[in-house]
Amino acid sequence: QAAPTQPASVSGFLGQSITISCTGTSRDVGGYNLVSWFQHHPGKAPKLLIYEVSERPSGSSNRFTGSKSGNTASLTISGLQAEDEADYYCCTHAGGQISVFGGGTKVAVL
Amino acid sequence: QVQLVQSGTEVKKPGASVKVSCKASGYVFTSYHIHWVRQAPGQGLEWMGWMFANSGETKYTAKFQGRVAMTRDTSISTAYMEVSDLRSDDTAVYYCARNAGSPHDSWGQGTLVLVSS
Repeated sequence: QAAPTQPASVSGFLGQSITISCTGTSRDVGGYNLVSWFQHHPGKAPKLLIYEVSERPSGSSNRFTGSKSGNTASLTISGLQAEDEADYYCCTHAGGQISVFGGGTKVAVL
Repeated sequence: QVQLVQSGTEVKKPGASVKVSCKASGYVFTSYHIHWVRQAPGQGLEWMGWMFANSGETKYTAKFQGRVAMTRDTSISTAYMEVSDLRSDDTAVYYCARNAGSPHDSWGQGTLVLVSS
């Protein structure tokens, strides 16, 4: 099962908005509304930001927004803050009750 | 509150096996799935599979099929993940998570498994 493609890095200035893409196929990202997004700071457990493409769990800031178009899901971070500097991963259902993470995107706050 | 507490760092030789535990508290253990995810040094997150804590049903990605076993002891609300025939590229931090990617998502603190001769 191939991992969805994410940009290796994205950067933005404090207060700016950035978008991270997650491109898969019709057999994973495009085939199910089961894309989630995680924030991962080194040495800590991953934190769920978005589930089911665009839903926010309790405790997730409304600065994080998820969407999907075709085989590409996206995570937008608005009002970029210093603590947003981390690695971000999409995760998609890939059929057969299997999930797969994207390659990850390192976000730098300038 | 929901908590998943994992066992401590393991150092193993190539070819050995390792069994990582994940003790759950704060919820009904048998009502949820436990997922396992790992991150090798310098690499991204890798989803390994899941186990339904009630029935013990499991699902593994093809990469881990035959070399990974996910089990549980419901009497102590603990899930286990065993990797056999360890190789150097199994060196990673292993995480357990309740229903990862769902509104019931909750993660353990991670367990470092170091495979070295």
